[in-house]
Amino acid sequence: GQQLNQSPQSMFIQEGEDVSMNCTSSSIFNTWLWYKQDPGEGPVLLIALYKAGELTSNGRLTAQFGITRKDSFLNISASIPSDVGIYFCAGRPGGSQGNLIFGKGTKLSVKP
Amino acid sequence: EAQVTQNPRYLITVTGKKLTVTCSQNMNHEYMSWYRQDPGLGLRQIYYSMNVEVTDKGDVPEGYKVSRKEKRNFPLILESPSPNQTSLYFCASSRKSGSSGANVLTFGAGSRLTVL
Repeated sequence: GQQLNQSPQSMFIQEGEDVSMNCTSSSIFNTWLWYKQDPGEGPVLLIALYKAGELTSNGRLTAQFGITRKDSFLNISASIPSDVGIYFCAGRPGGSQGNLIFGKGTKLSVKP
Repeated sequence: EAQVTQNPRYLITVTGKKLTVTCSQNMNHEYMSWYRQDPGLGLRQIYYSMNVEVTDKGDVPEGYKVSRKEKRNFPLILESPSPNQTSLYFCASSRKSGSSGANVLTFGAGSRLTVL
Protein backbone atom coordinates (compact mmCIF):
# COMPACT_ATOMS: atom_id res chain seq x y z
CA GLY A 1 0.00 0.00 0.00
CA GLN A 2 0.87 3.66 -0.10
CA GLN A 3 3.49 4.79 2.39
CA LEU A 4 4.63 7.92 4.09
CA ASN A 5 8.31 8.49 4.74
CA GLN A 6 8.74 10.06 8.13
CA SER A 7 12.12 11.29 9.35
CA PRO A 8 14.06 11.21 11.44
CA GLN A 9 13.27 7.86 13.03
CA SER A 10 14.53 9.07 16.40
CA MET A 11 16.00 12.17 17.98
CA PHE A 12 17.96 12.75 21.16
CA ILE A 13 18.03 16.41 22.09
CA GLN A 14 18.81 18.69 24.99
CA GLU A 15 16.03 20.48 26.81
CA GLY A 16 15.50 23.91 25.27
CA GLU A 17 16.49 22.89 21.74
CA ASP A 18 14.16 23.19 18.78
CA VAL A 19 13.01 20.07 16.94
CA SER A 20 12.03 19.51 13.33
CA MET A 21 10.57 16.43 11.72
CA ASN A 22 8.86 15.81 8.40
CA CYS A 23 6.84 13.45 6.29
CA THR A 24 6.90 13.01 2.55
CA SER A 25 4.78 11.05 0.13
CA SER A 26 5.08 10.13 -3.53
CA SER A 27 1.57 11.35 -4.25
CA ILE A 28 -0.60 14.33 -3.40
CA PHE A 29 -2.39 14.40 -0.06
CA ASN A 30 -5.40 16.55 0.87
CA THR A 31 -5.12 16.18 4.65
CA TRP A 32 -2.14 16.06 6.97
CA LEU A 33 -2.38 15.29 10.66
CA TRP A 34 0.23 15.17 13.40
CA TYR A 35 -0.24 12.95 16.45
CA LYS A 36 1.78 12.45 19.62
CA GLN A 37 1.90 9.20 21.55
CA ASP A 38 2.99 9.37 25.17
CA PRO A 39 4.54 6.21 26.61
CA GLY A 40 1.79 3.71 27.46
CA GLU A 41 -0.97 5.75 25.82
CA GLY A 42 -2.76 6.05 22.50
CA PRO A 43 -1.88 8.73 19.93
CA VAL A 44 -3.45 12.13 20.52
CA LEU A 45 -4.05 14.68 17.77
CA LEU A 46 -1.78 17.72 17.87
CA ILE A 47 -2.50 19.58 14.64
CA ALA A 48 -4.69 19.05 11.57
CA LEU A 49 -3.93 20.67 8.19
CA TYR A 50 -6.35 20.83 5.27
CA LYS A 51 -4.90 23.29 2.71
CA ALA A 52 -1.64 23.45 0.80
CA GLY A 53 0.64 26.04 2.36
CA GLU A 54 -1.35 26.10 5.61
CA LEU A 55 0.74 26.90 8.67
CA THR A 56 -0.85 26.13 12.04
CA SER A 57 0.45 26.50 15.58
CA ASN A 58 -0.54 24.82 18.81
CA GLY A 59 1.49 26.34 21.62
CA ARG A 60 5.16 25.57 20.97
CA LEU A 61 4.23 23.32 18.06
CA THR A 62 3.98 24.51 14.47
CA ALA A 63 3.04 22.38 11.49
CA GLN A 64 2.89 23.14 7.81
CA PHE A 65 1.09 21.56 4.88
CA GLY A 66 3.70 21.60 2.10
CA ILE A 67 2.95 23.67 -0.98
CA THR A 68 3.46 20.66 -3.25
CA ARG A 69 0.89 18.74 -1.13
CA LYS A 70 3.40 15.90 -0.88
CA ASP A 71 4.94 16.78 2.45
CA SER A 72 4.37 18.21 5.89
CA PHE A 73 6.60 19.49 8.66
CA LEU A 74 6.30 19.65 12.43
CA ASN A 75 8.47 21.94 14.52
CA ILE A 76 8.69 22.04 18.30
CA SER A 77 10.34 25.08 19.83
CA ALA A 78 12.17 25.19 23.15
CA SER A 79 11.65 21.50 23.95
CA ILE A 80 10.83 20.38 27.49
CA PRO A 81 11.01 16.91 29.08
CA SER A 82 7.27 16.27 28.63
CA ASP A 83 7.73 16.50 24.83
CA VAL A 84 9.14 12.96 25.03
CA GLY A 85 7.13 10.48 23.00
CA ILE A 86 6.52 9.23 19.48
CA TYR A 87 5.25 11.69 16.90
CA PHE A 88 3.27 10.34 13.96
CA CYS A 89 2.30 12.04 10.77
CA ALA A 90 -0.82 10.84 8.98
CA GLY A 91 -2.33 11.81 5.70
CA ARG A 92 -5.20 11.16 3.35
CA PRO A 93 -4.38 10.86 -0.36
CA GLY A 94 -5.96 13.42 -2.65
CA GLY A 95 -9.15 12.32 -4.34
CA SER A 96 -9.47 9.42 -1.98
CA GLN A 97 -12.31 8.56 0.37
CA GLY A 98 -10.05 5.97 1.91
CA ASN A 99 -8.27 5.58 5.16
CA LEU A 100 -5.55 7.63 6.75
CA ILE A 101 -2.01 6.52 6.05
CA PHE A 102 0.46 6.76 8.93
CA GLY A 103 4.18 7.40 8.99
CA LYS A 104 6.32 5.07 11.12
CA GLY A 105 6.88 7.70 13.75
CA THR A 106 9.67 9.84 15.17
CA LYS A 107 10.75 8.91 18.68
CA LEU A 108 11.80 11.99 20.61
CA SER A 109 13.97 11.85 23.72
CA VAL A 110 14.70 15.04 25.66
CA LYS A 111 17.61 15.26 28.05
CA PRO A 112 17.00 17.65 30.97
CA GLU B 1 -15.98 12.88 28.29
CA ALA B 2 -15.60 11.94 24.63
CA GLN B 3 -13.50 8.81 24.44
CA VAL B 4 -12.68 5.45 22.93
CA THR B 5 -12.55 2.68 25.52
CA GLN B 6 -10.68 -0.57 24.97
CA ASN B 7 -10.65 -3.67 27.15
CA PRO B 8 -8.61 -5.37 28.33
CA ARG B 9 -5.62 -3.03 28.56
CA TYR B 10 -3.28 -5.93 29.15
CA LEU B 11 -3.68 -9.61 28.36
CA ILE B 12 -1.38 -12.61 28.35
CA THR B 13 -2.79 -15.69 26.66
CA VAL B 14 -1.69 -18.91 25.03
CA THR B 15 -1.62 -19.98 21.43
CA GLY B 16 -5.00 -21.03 20.10
CA LYS B 17 -7.18 -19.65 22.89
CA LYS B 18 -9.83 -17.41 21.34
CA LEU B 19 -9.98 -13.88 22.65
CA THR B 20 -11.88 -10.67 22.02
CA VAL B 21 -10.70 -7.13 22.56
CA THR B 22 -13.64 -4.80 22.97
CA CYS B 23 -13.82 -1.23 21.72
CA SER B 24 -16.53 1.29 22.45
CA GLN B 25 -16.87 4.98 21.55
CA ASN B 26 -19.34 7.54 22.90
CA MET B 27 -19.04 10.15 20.15
CA ASN B 28 -21.58 8.71 17.71
CA HIS B 29 -18.81 8.25 15.16
CA GLU B 30 -19.56 6.35 11.98
CA TYR B 31 -16.00 5.27 11.26
CA MET B 32 -14.04 2.86 13.49
CA SER B 33 -10.74 1.12 12.95
CA TRP B 34 -8.24 -1.25 14.55
CA TYR B 35 -4.46 -0.85 14.35
CA ARG B 36 -1.53 -2.79 15.65
CA GLN B 37 1.71 -1.12 16.63
CA ASP B 38 5.01 -2.95 16.48
CA PRO B 39 8.54 -1.56 16.96
CA GLY B 40 9.89 -0.08 13.75
CA LEU B 41 6.66 -0.69 11.85
CA GLY B 42 4.48 2.14 13.13
CA LEU B 43 0.70 1.79 13.07
CA ARG B 44 -0.71 -0.79 10.69
CA GLN B 45 -4.41 -1.01 10.01
CA ILE B 46 -6.08 -4.35 10.64
CA TYR B 47 -9.77 -3.75 9.86
CA TYR B 48 -12.03 -0.76 9.60
CA SER B 49 -15.74 -0.04 9.50
CA MET B 50 -17.45 2.84 7.72
CA ASN B 51 -20.75 2.24 9.53
CA VAL B 52 -22.94 -0.40 11.14
CA GLU B 53 -22.69 -3.77 9.35
CA VAL B 54 -20.00 -2.39 7.00
CA THR B 55 -16.49 -3.69 7.59
CA ASP B 56 -13.42 -4.02 5.39
CA LYS B 57 -9.87 -5.31 5.54
CA GLY B 58 -6.95 -3.04 6.25
CA ASP B 59 -3.32 -3.80 5.52
CA VAL B 60 -2.81 -6.72 7.94
CA PRO B 61 -6.16 -8.53 8.43
CA GLU B 62 -4.88 -12.13 8.55
CA GLY B 63 -5.77 -13.89 11.79
CA TYR B 64 -8.34 -11.29 12.87
CA LYS B 65 -12.08 -10.83 12.64
CA VAL B 66 -14.31 -7.89 13.49
CA SER B 67 -17.99 -7.11 13.70
CA ARG B 68 -20.03 -3.91 13.78
CA LYS B 69 -23.50 -4.74 15.01
CA GLU B 70 -23.92 -1.45 16.82
CA LYS B 71 -22.55 1.98 16.02
CA ARG B 72 -20.66 2.39 19.27
CA ASN B 73 -18.93 -1.02 19.42
CA PHE B 74 -16.25 -2.58 17.23
CA PRO B 75 -14.75 -5.71 18.82
CA LEU B 76 -11.57 -7.32 17.51
CA ILE B 77 -11.61 -11.11 17.57
CA LEU B 78 -8.60 -13.41 17.47
CA GLU B 79 -10.07 -16.87 16.81
CA SER B 80 -6.79 -18.74 17.25
CA PRO B 81 -4.07 -16.37 18.46
CA SER B 82 -0.47 -17.04 17.55
CA PRO B 83 2.76 -15.56 18.96
CA ASN B 84 3.17 -13.26 15.93
CA GLN B 85 0.02 -11.48 17.07
CA THR B 86 1.79 -10.30 20.19
CA SER B 87 1.48 -6.55 19.80
CA LEU B 88 0.00 -3.30 21.04
CA TYR B 89 -3.48 -2.80 19.62
CA PHE B 90 -5.35 0.46 19.19
CA CYS B 91 -8.95 1.13 18.36
CA ALA B 92 -9.85 4.50 16.85
CA SER B 93 -12.95 6.30 15.61
CA SER B 94 -13.90 9.38 13.63
CA ARG B 95 -16.79 11.01 11.82
CA LYS B 96 -17.55 9.76 8.32
CA SER B 97 -15.80 11.10 5.24
CA GLY B 98 -17.13 14.40 3.99
CA SER B 99 -18.28 15.60 7.39
CA SER B 100 -16.55 18.14 9.59
CA GLY B 101 -13.82 16.43 11.56
CA ALA B 102 -13.59 13.47 9.21
CA ASN B 103 -10.19 11.76 9.32
CA VAL B 104 -9.46 13.16 12.75
CA LEU B 105 -9.14 9.86 14.54
CA THR B 106 -9.63 9.57 18.28
CA PHE B 107 -7.63 6.67 19.68
CA GLY B 108 -8.19 4.40 22.64
CA ALA B 109 -5.46 3.92 25.24
CA GLY B 110 -4.30 0.64 23.73
CA SER B 111 -4.41 -3.05 24.56
CA ARG B 112 -1.13 -4.86 25.02
CA LEU B 113 -1.51 -8.48 24.03
CA THR B 114 1.05 -11.22 24.60
CA VAL B 115 0.52 -14.65 23.04
CA LEU B 116 2.73 -17.39 24.47
